[in-house]
Amino acid sequence: GENVEQHPSTLSVQEGDSAVIKCTYSDSASNYFPWYKQELGKGPQLIIDIRSNVGEKKDQRIAVTLNKTAKHFSLHITETQPEDSAVYFCAASREGNNRLAFGKGNQVVVIP
Amino acid sequence: EPEVTQTPSHQVTQMGQEVILRCVPISNHLYFYWYRQILGQKVEFLVSFYNNEISEKSEIFDDQFSVERPDGSNFTLKIRSTKLEDSAMYFCASSERLHPLFGSGTRLTVV
Repeated sequence: GENVEQHPSTLSVQEGDSAVIKCTYSDSASNYFPWYKQELGKGPQLIIDIRSNVGEKKDQRIAVTLNKTAKHFSLHITETQPEDSAVYFCAASREGNNRLAFGKGNQVVVIP
Repeated sequence: EPEVTQTPSHQVTQMGQEVILRCVPISNHLYFYWYRQILGQKVEFLVSFYNNEISEKSEIFDDQFSVERPDGSNFTLKIRSTKLEDSAMYFCASSERLHPLFGSGTRLTVV
């Protein structure tokens, strides 16, 4: 089955700087890659996703890039703010198959 | 904004007891899921449910587990005889097709 690895496990950034989280996946048939943000006491919330027919997608301060050849995808958060502090999960699946394989999560801490 | 709700938020149970975790998915969603997260580990897929039947299940979802949609609004996960290793956060999710939306989870502690 699909195996998703996520690095680093913890990331501290100064407010205003950028944060980058990287994930790799193993199944070349995976073609849907969502990112989830989990705040304390809440469930994972979808923040952005990308399909394998595009290489990059942006939504305001958040962007995701995908390299299908290398089987890795990354989340970029620019101009970080304290409210960006959370655990971020990457995931992968085959579109049409709703079974998501998650990475282990990345604790992002934005230092004011 | 519609959301997936889960009850209870925390459940403590004795080993060997049955537990039922409850979820109310978003009303127009057709696909329902259970995931779990053991402390410090990845979020793991358990089962997906569509059209009143299981559409896929993982190797974790053995005979001790079952799911039900008893009344058209609730979606439940039953663990028949809990083990210590069932202690985890259990997340329910639902979707129209893609983009599962997750509830806040039920923390199950088996003692």
